[in-house]
Amino acid sequence: QSALTQPASVSGSPGQSITISCTGTSSDVGFYDHVSWFQQPPGNPPRLIIYDVFYRPSGVSNRFSGSKSGSTASLTISGVQAEDEGDYYCSSPSTSTTLVVFGGGTKLTVL
Amino acid sequence: QITLKESGPTLVRPTQTLTLTCTFSGFSLSTSGVGVGWIRQPPGKALEWLGLIYWDGDDRYNPSQKSRITITKDTSKDQVVLIMTNVDPVDTGTYYCAQRRSNRFDTWGQGTLVTVSS
Repeated sequence: QSALTQPASVSGSPGQSITISCTGTSSDVGFYDHVSWFQQPPGNPPRLIIYDVFYRPSGVSNRFSGSKSGSTASLTISGVQAEDEGDYYCSSPSTSTTLVVFGGGTKLTVL
Repeated sequence: QITLKESGPTLVRPTQTLTLTCTFSGFSLSTSGVGVGWIRQPPGKALEWLGLIYWDGDDRYNPSQKSRITITKDTSKDQVVLIMTNVDPVDTGTYYCAQRRSNRFDTWGQGTLVTVSS
């Protein structure tokens, strides 16, 4: 069981906006402003798309945005496209002995 | 350009020791604040953080694996090594190394699939 809770799946039609939640605790998401989001297309390694809650690395589309409220972080994809299909993972440092925690992953399907 | 590449055996027998090497380029593991981490992913399952080693040699491990894992670095070779003892079929999966800085895994390797089976 993963430390951070994500929905197992989300779906949307091309052009729609979708949001993926990532719920942690006051020891991780609620404590640090260092939530990261990774995109993992089928058969590929994860790629960092959001860090420190809402910053995008160079080269990442501005259709991806992040936010946080309390112990829940969110990833929003605006105008979802077929190329966005894949798995999405959140991550956060933690004050617990498990210093880095990941979410269970969310599979995005573009209808 | 930062790149990382994992290498090691694709098949390991149960109870044996698994040794994986991460060879990187484009950054130095002697730079303050920089680390390299190992993350694994069982087939069809989620990511699991295994451990980290920082530029100053400080190493940290997931408590669930701490008794079986050791991570070392060779700064002169730009390599980080993961050693996992007494492997079991549940350790089957893709193992990734990734650069760690400022509390995030910036760049990941392509991963290497390790199967534990007799």
